[in-house]
Amino acid sequence: DTEVTQTPKHLVMGMTNKKSLKCEQHMGHRAMYWYKQKAKKPPELMFVYSYEKLSINESVPSRFSPECPNSSLLNLHLHALQPEDSALYLCASSQITGTVISPYEQYFGPGTRLTVT
Amino acid sequence: QKEVEQNSGPLSVPEGAIASLNCTYSDRGSQSFFWYRQYSGKSPELIMSIYSNGDKEDGRFTAQLNKASQYVSLLIRDSQPSDSATYLCAVGDTGRRALTFGSGTRLQVQP
Repeated sequence: DTEVTQTPKHLVMGMTNKKSLKCEQHMGHRAMYWYKQKAKKPPELMFVYSYEKLSINESVPSRFSPECPNSSLLNLHLHALQPEDSALYLCASSQITGTVISPYEQYFGPGTRLTVT
Repeated sequence: QKEVEQNSGPLSVPEGAIASLNCTYSDRGSQSFFWYRQYSGKSPELIMSIYSNGDKEDGRFTAQLNKASQYVSLLIRDSQPSDSATYLCAVGDTGRRALTFGSGTRLQVQP
């Protein structure tokens, strides 16, 4: 089973709202990722969690706040977003092994289509 | 700046033909390479991974890796209209659990 689930599928929010995106995987993966993808562009890495600890923050604005409550769940809290933050937000997960320094396969969820008005 | 380059296309092939998608990368130390397929409005789907020089076959898909030339390719045999999608090449960032994506090649298979 290589399923990563994300909720909600679609989200419309105003610039003063606070909302959260949720991601869940039950593959036993210990690395989880948030990506942002704009139309006709590749996914752009935002955050990486390894063993529930934030290991990479790609200089993402503080209006995006990630959280990893346990090894299966990943949240992205949104506050005071701008219209240019409208995009497809993708969650992914992968396994980790101690001897491999390169990433293993990453499996993506279906994404949340976010529109900021 | 680690880079992954792909021709944006569109690459147009007739149904039943072989589609050849190419990717070059700048980090000579890269050790893991992936091909993702992304249909319009959907998320990327992993279709191939390759770690060693040479060819790796899975059904109609063959991934080829040449680390000396810093080149990875994807061949799709007997192309079908359902293969029409954007194909993203991704390279593992050595020492980080992160991928660097190319900009993608749009493939169109004409019936």
